[in-house]
Formats: sequence, structure tokens, C-alpha cells
Amino acid sequence: KQEVTQIPAALSVPEGENLVLNCSFTDSAIYNLQWFRQDPGKGLTSLLLIQSSQREQTSGRLNASLDKSSGRSTLYIAASQPGDSATYLCAVRLNDYKLSFGAGTTVTVRA
Amino acid sequence: NAGVTQTPKFQVLKTGQSMTLQCAQDMNHNSMYWYRQDPGMGLRLIYYSASEGTTDKGEVPNGYNVSRLNKREFSLRLESAAPSQTSVYFCASSEARTRAFFGQGTRLTVV
Repeated sequence: KQEVTQIPAALSVPEGENLVLNCSFTDSAIYNLQWFRQDPGKGLTSLLLIQSSQREQTSGRLNASLDKSSGRSTLYIAASQPGDSATYLCAVRLNDYKLSFGAGTTVTVRA
Repeated sequence: NAGVTQTPKFQVLKTGQSMTLQCAQDMNHNSMYWYRQDPGMGLRLIYYSASEGTTDKGEVPNGYNVSRLNKREFSLRLESAAPSQTSVYFCASSEARTRAFFGQGTRLTVV
């Protein structure tokens, strides 16, 4: 069974610091990995999708890397802002229809 | 851009009552999903529908039924609600292995 782990569970940083969020998974047979953002009381917003054949994906201040062989992905958020405060979840796609989610990392960016 | 729309947003039920959660997407996606999110447990798949006319069980299907009414709509029914079904329910849609898009969630409390 695929296990997806996100460490740490919570993170607090001062504004301007770079954020590094980790995601690990036990089965490397994945199609892709997706990072989501969830604000309190809201749904999930897709941030980045990395295909299994890719090593990284970038969107603005966000960069996600994928090392499928070691079962790891890292989400980097450059120059953090208070508006980046949210919970970030990673999910691996095992087949056409199944996503396995981590429990998330809750980020607080202090002004 | 409506994306994925869920109704209702909040609901309180008494034990034993039934209700249907509605979900509609306007992105012409074939695949639709129902997840529940509980503190510390991440998102768990209840049911999914790979295409119109098909449905399959996910990780935690007991106590739920689904209907894929057409390509746009996928409903989740609780026949006899139990306190263990208190959760936040999310509907999502995607096209096979592409990005998944989520609704805003339904917060259900069973008393």
C-alpha cells in the first residue's frame, strides 16, 4: 500500500525566508505527483503537477522537484509572504483513478 | 469559471437521517471522485467514477452510495448517517492522469 508522508506537520518562518516542504512516498511506481494548497475552511487548489518522467516543475516563486527512485518530492517557495500561509498537501497518482495524499504541512509566515 | 461546485456547504444531521451531497463540474472531465478529510488522516477516497455510467469503491466506501447522473454530476448519498461520518467531504474531477480539481467542500456534522 502506498504511504505518503509529509514532514514537518507544521512550520513557522519569518517573511522573506525560503520555504522547503518535503513529501516522501513508499512506492516509486507513480504516474505523477501533485502539490496542492488548502486555505482554512476551503477546498484544495492545485499548484504544480510533476510527471514521473520529470525532475522538476516551476511556477512563479514555486519550484517542485521529484526523485522517483528515492520516493521524494520537495516544494520550494521562494521569498515567503504572509499570503503563503496555508496547508500544503502532496498527492501521488498511482493509476488513472487513484490519488494518495499526505496529511499536509501547515505553514505560517510571520510578518 | 465555476470548476467543481458542491452543495450544500454545511449540513447538520441527526443519527439515522439520510442526505445526498451534490457535485457538478463544468470542465468536461470523465473522472470524478468523492473524498473525506479528517484531522490527522489526510484525504481518503470514498468512491470514484472513471466515466459516465461507471462507479467504483475507494478506500472507505462503507455507509455511502454514489450516482453518476451524467458526465457533469456525481452525487454521494448517506443512507443512515452515523457520528463517524462527521467529516469534510470533497468532490473532485480530472481527466485521467492530469490535474485534479476540487470543490470547496461540504462540512457535515452528525449528532
